[in-house]
Amino acid sequence: AQSVTQPDIHITVSEGASLELRCNYSYGATPYLFWYVQSPGQGLQLLLKYFSGDTLVQGIKGFEAEFKRSQSSFNLRKPSVHWSDAAEYFCAVSFGNEKLTFGTGTRLTIIP
Amino acid sequence: DARVTQTPRHKVTEMGQEVTMRCQPILGHNTVFWYRQTMMQGLELLAYFRNRAPLDDSGMPKDRFSAEMPDATLATLKIQPSEPRDSAVYFCASGRRRASSYNEQFFGPGTRLTVL
Repeated sequence: AQSVTQPDIHITVSEGASLELRCNYSYGATPYLFWYVQSPGQGLQLLLKYFSGDTLVQGIKGFEAEFKRSQSSFNLRKPSVHWSDAAEYFCAVSFGNEKLTFGTGTRLTIIP
Repeated sequence: DARVTQTPRHKVTEMGQEVTMRCQPILGHNTVFWYRQTMMQGLELLAYFRNRAPLDDSGMPKDRFSAEMPDATLATLKIQPSEPRDSAVYFCASGRRRASSYNEQFFGPGTRLTVL
């Protein structure tokens, strides 16, 4: 069965510092990969997605992610975080169908 | 700004009571998904529908849960009878399936259910 691992439960970053959130997925056929963000009390908002082509994808709010097939990874990055980026981030994967499998999430705290 | 709406946003009920959660998908979307989020299990897909017909409900406990789409603008998730272990946030998402593209899912704000 497909699975997604987000090894970091909680990350704390200073405002203005760079950010990288890790995501690894189980081996399978060509994956569709996603990053979602969830603010407290809110639903999930899609940040970016990878289907094929350029392995570096740009998303909303200044986020980007890089697909590395050899490492089965899809890490999320942002060069300079803002206090409003504090939220929970979920990586998700689909192997050719519509069913998404989510990771357990990484909670991001921003300190001034 | 089209959004998925869910009602109620919060529900507190007692064990054994029936609970009905409602979702209005984005107009024109033909696929509706139901997810459950708990601290222990994270986000799990319960069921999803296309053009009002169930496509997959393998993630849903069949004995007490049921999901329907009475019409294209309303999806419901019912729990009868409810149990404390059903306490969770239930999300609805909708999407528009097109032959040549992935069906992106747009999430509602969720219903936070507490069963006492």
